[in-house]
Amino acid sequence: SQTIHQWPATLVQPVGSPLSLECTVEGTSNPNLYWYRQAAGRGLQLLFYSVGIGQISSEVPQNLSASRPQDRQFILSSKKLLLSDSGFYLCAWKKRSENQPQHFGDGTRLSIL
Amino acid sequence: GDSVTQMEGPVTLSEEAFLTINCTYTATGYPSLFWYVQYPGEGLQLLLKATKADDKGSNKGFEATYRKETTSFHLEKGSVQVSDSAVYFCALTPRQGGSEKLVFGKGTKLTVNP
Repeated sequence: SQTIHQWPATLVQPVGSPLSLECTVEGTSNPNLYWYRQAAGRGLQLLFYSVGIGQISSEVPQNLSASRPQDRQFILSSKKLLLSDSGFYLCAWKKRSENQPQHFGDGTRLSIL
Repeated sequence: GDSVTQMEGPVTLSEEAFLTINCTYTATGYPSLFWYVQYPGEGLQLLLKATKADDKGSNKGFEATYRKETTSFHLEKGSVQVSDSAVYFCALTPRQGGSEKLVFGKGTKLTVNP
């Protein structure tokens, strides 16, 4: 069966520090991969998605970036965090065929001080 | 563009009450429709899905029917439990190739009291 792992589960970082969140998927190949952010009390905002290694599409302009160095690995990064980057970050994957749902990881709660 | 509108809540019910969370959508063609549930402090879990008109998705006592004529996908449960307390998201995937991004509603928080 397929599983998705995100880490860390919780992170507290000072303003201006770098960020690296990692997501890996097991038990499938060539998945679509997604990064979402959920601000407190709000819905989900799609940040990035990837349909293959090295292929990243950005949905909103921001100081975050994403990379996909391997087929089942998706990394969310920042060189300098802002206070507004606080939130709950969720990684998701889906099979690359029609009508398939996305499956989410357990999320990373990021607090910026 | 494609969008999902769901009742904002919060919704507070007593145990064993009937639940309806309304969801309507705007999309070109025939999207796939989903309900996700998020328990406190956790990620999203797929609750049920429907991929074509008149399909009924069901899971854990929850049901939703894909109504093309009313562009709706309302979530229902006949008798809620305290453990159903969570935030529920309605979502669609446009029937297009490529990224197959999910378009989410804003979520409805449900609290079930004993």
